[in-house]
Amino acid sequence: GAGVSQTPSNKVTEKGKYVELRCDPISGHTALYWYRQSLGQGPEFLIYFQGTGAADDSGLPNDRFFAVRPEGSVSTLKIQRTERGDSAVYLCASGAGTSGATQYFGPGTRLTVL
Amino acid sequence: QKEVEQNSGPLSVPEGAIASLNCTYSDRGSQSFFWYRQYSGKSPELIMFIYSNGDKEDGRFTAQLNKASQYVSLLIRDSQPSDSATYLCAGHSGTYKYIFGTGTRLKVLA
Repeated sequence: GAGVSQTPSNKVTEKGKYVELRCDPISGHTALYWYRQSLGQGPEFLIYFQGTGAADDSGLPNDRFFAVRPEGSVSTLKIQRTERGDSAVYLCASGAGTSGATQYFGPGTRLTVL
Repeated sequence: QKEVEQNSGPLSVPEGAIASLNCTYSDRGSQSFFWYRQYSGKSPELIMFIYSNGDKEDGRFTAQLNKASQYVSLLIRDSQPSDSATYLCAGHSGTYKYIFGTGTRLKVLA
C-alpha cells in the first residue's frame, strides 16, 4: 500500500515568509508525528497527533510553529515568520495505534530559509 | 532530560564482517527500542524493534537489549557495502513519545 507522503519535497523561502508543509499518512493510521532533523542529528520530536487532536505539542520550538490535522488524516505544519535557523528536513511519521506502535516515516520536506 | 546516546562514528568494517552498533539510554521507563537505517538524503527506514531483554534476530540483523545496563545494540552479520548508512536508535516509553539518538554512521568497505 501507499506509504506516508509529504509535499513539497523541497521548499526554499525567504526569511520572514510563511510556509506550510503537508503530510499524508498511511491510510488508517491514527497516530501522526512531526519531527525536525538537522544535519548530523537524529529526528527531533515536534508534535504528536492522535486522531484530530494534538496530544503533545511540547516539541514545537516557539509560537511561530503550529500544526493541524482537522479530519484526522492529512496534517499541515505551519511556520510563520521563518528564520534561517528553521532550515532543516521536516519529517512526518504515522503509526497504527498509541503506545508501542511502530511508526513509518515519509520522505521529508527539506526547508531552506534564505 | 531523557536521552538516547550513540557514537556518531564512522564505524568502518570490511565487507562480510559483523558490524556492531551500540546505544545507551537514560530513561529507565523506556520499554521499546527501534533501529532505523537512514541513507544519505533519505528518511529513516525501520529495521527492527525490541522490547524484551535478550536477543531478537531478523535475517542478518540481531537486536540486543539489556535493560539492567540500559544498553541496546544492533548486529549486522555479513555486512555489505549497501549497509553503509546512518543507523538511528530510538527509545519509546510506552506512551507515544520516541526519543532518537544522533545516529552512528556505518561504512562497509568493499
